[in-house]
Amino acid sequence: EAGVTQFPSHSVIEKGQTVTLRCDPISGHDNLYWYRRVMGKEIKFLLHFVKESKQDESGMPNNRFLAERTGGTYSTLKVQPAELEDSGVYFCASSEKAGISEEYFGPGTRLTVL
Amino acid sequence: AQSVTQLGSHVSVSEGALVLLRCNYSSSVPPYLFWYVQYPNQGLQLLLKYTTGATLVKGINGFEAEFKKSETSFHLTKPSAHMSDAAEYFCAVSQGGTSYGKLTFGQGTILTVHP
Repeated sequence: EAGVTQFPSHSVIEKGQTVTLRCDPISGHDNLYWYRRVMGKEIKFLLHFVKESKQDESGMPNNRFLAERTGGTYSTLKVQPAELEDSGVYFCASSEKAGISEEYFGPGTRLTVL
Repeated sequence: AQSVTQLGSHVSVSEGALVLLRCNYSSSVPPYLFWYVQYPNQGLQLLLKYTTGATLVKGINGFEAEFKKSETSFHLTKPSAHMSDAAEYFCAVSQGGTSYGKLTFGQGTILTVHP
C-alpha cells in the first residue's frame, strides 16, 4: 500500500511568486491534514479536511494560503503571493476515519522563498 | 489550549545506553499523547500513543513511554540505544474527539547515538 505522497519535494521561489503544493493521501483515508514547520520551530497545524470539506482551518496563517481537496482525494495548498516567512517544510498527513485512527505523514515539501 | 515542551533539542547517547527523551504537556482536557520519529528524508512515523487505560505504553522498536498525570509528563525511554535510533523525535498532544488528529507538537529532539 502506497503511503502519503507529496509533490514537489523541494521548491525554491522568489518572493511574490505563487507556489502550489500537492498531497496524495493514502487511498480511502477520509481525513487529511496539513502542517508546517518553520526553521527552528515546532510543527504547527494548518488545517484539516474530512473528505472534501474543511473541518478546521484555524491554523491557516492568512488569506495568502488556499487549501483545496478535490473530490475528497488529493489536496493542494497554494501560497499566493509567497513571502519570506512562508519558508519551511510543509507536511501532509492522512487518517482513515474520525476517532483514534493513526495519522500517517508524508515526507514533506521543503519550500524556500528568496 | 494545549502545549508541549520537549526538554533538550539535542540528546547524545552511546550505543547500548539508556535513551530518555523528556516531554511535558499542558492541556485543559484529558490529553491524548503521542511520540513520533522522523528519519532523514522521511515522514513522521508513529512510535506510540496514549489514549486511555494503562499509563505505560509500549511502542515500536523497543520504545516505551509513561503517562504521569501528576507531573504532566510523557517521557520516552528505551533501555539500550541502537545506532539506527538516530533520528528526530517529536512529542505531540491532541484533545481527542473530532480534534483527535489535530496535533500540537513540541519542538523536537534530535537523538545522536555514538558507537
